[in-house]
Amino acid sequence: DAGVIQSPRHEVTEMGQEVTLRCKPISGHDYLFWYRQTMMRGLELLIYFNNNVPIDDSGMPEDRFSAKMPNASFSTLKIQPSEPRDSAVYFCASSHLRGTGELFFGEGSRLTVL
Amino acid sequence: QQPVQSPQAVILREGEDAVINCSSSKALYSVHWYRQKHGEAPVFLMILLKGGEQKGHEKISASFNEKKQQSSLYLTASQLSYSGTYFCGTALMEYGNKLVFGAGTILRVKS
Repeated sequence: DAGVIQSPRHEVTEMGQEVTLRCKPISGHDYLFWYRQTMMRGLELLIYFNNNVPIDDSGMPEDRFSAKMPNASFSTLKIQPSEPRDSAVYFCASSHLRGTGELFFGEGSRLTVL
Repeated sequence: QQPVQSPQAVILREGEDAVINCSSSKALYSVHWYRQKHGEAPVFLMILLKGGEQKGHEKISASFNEKKQQSSLYLTASQLSYSGTYFCGTALMEYGNKLVFGAGTILRVKS
């Protein structure tokens, strides 16, 4: 079975540009999480969804960040406008309510904002 | 709410043992352990649930002290493949609530 699929794997953009990161969770998983990883702040939870509904977005840094999950197989994380401090690796992870609770992570999207 | 991990880093020789600790100031429902190798995504190792249930794999074990809100990960007879950064993640409520990760413990196993 395919794991969590993220795109793009690498994104280099200039400050002020819009960035959209995409995630396809594992089929049948009820939960989807977006994490951001930096050396300074480690793995931060930005937002998570249950059955496509956002449950907790308290980790979203500011209004420049938004996330959607229009259906069970697709989610986006958008940054508009982007800033250099947004440079990080963004991970998407999914899990199944009736499973062990294990999070399955995608390979991540490395974002560099110049 | 972020759990505290210790030590920050440890260097071992093959065959040596290591213990990584994770503690929280809040009452926990579960503790997760993940390992991340450089340039890769975190990979699940173990979950410990309130009530003592434990699930995991490999030659790695863990404990969960509910009274102290502490968990420890035990790596015995370490192998080169154990090198990486270990993260504990804690959930304050039953499964489905947000999983918050500690800062990580860098483990390096030398031959």
